[in-house]
Amino acid sequence: QVQLVESGGGVVQPGTSLRLSCAVSGFTFSDSVMHWVRQAPGRGLEWVARISHDATSKLYAGSVEGRFTISRDDSLYSLYLQMNSLRPEDTAVYYCARDLRDNWAIDYWGRGTLVTVST
Amino acid sequence: DIVMTQTPLSSPVTLGQPASISCRSSQSLVHNDGNTYLSWLQQRPGQPPRLLIYKISNRFSGVPDRFSGSGAGTDFTLKISRVEAEDVGVYYCMQAAQFPWTFGQGTKVEIK
Repeated sequence: QVQLVESGGGVVQPGTSLRLSCAVSGFTFSDSVMHWVRQAPGRGLEWVARISHDATSKLYAGSVEGRFTISRDDSLYSLYLQMNSLRPEDTAVYYCARDLRDNWAIDYWGRGTLVTVST
Repeated sequence: DIVMTQTPLSSPVTLGQPASISCRSSQSLVHNDGNTYLSWLQQRPGQPPRLLIYKISNRFSGVPDRFSGSGAGTDFTLKISRVEAEDVGVYYCMQAAQFPWTFGQGTKVEIK
């Protein structure tokens, strides 16, 4: 079955960096468009970034553009989110998610990893 | 960015009764390819989101048929024909017609 498992979250200070990872299984990762979506504590969902199946296209929310980088390693069945210059407003649970191919939706989600940016 | 507005924000429902959630977008969600990319997700307490409906009215695999979606253009609705205890949670609409993809604020469905 489809599984997505995030890791790498933690408590960091403003201005520092963190890299999130997502290990996937149960589907052909190299064929799949992938996303990161975040949810601040007690708040709604915010789409963060998308990477095409071949990594030639990467798109970002305006709030993270220039600070976050999405990437993938198909040989490791892994998705990444490099987060630099972190701000308190980046505090959230970060979900790794798979695109529902050709239907512009998100069908499977990981359980998320919590990132807390605080002094 | 396209703004998604859901109403109501809270919906207390009696078990076995219907529930309806509205989602309105600030601009049309008809994509250049002619499709309308509006989906609905459910988030149960302590769980990640789960896809219920995509492209307005298509139920995702394993989703009970008591969930249905409808609408067009800028106005969309999610209906639960008979609410069950397991339906408690927050429901989100999401548009994928244009990047950045955006979500509604969420509607909390709870049992009266």
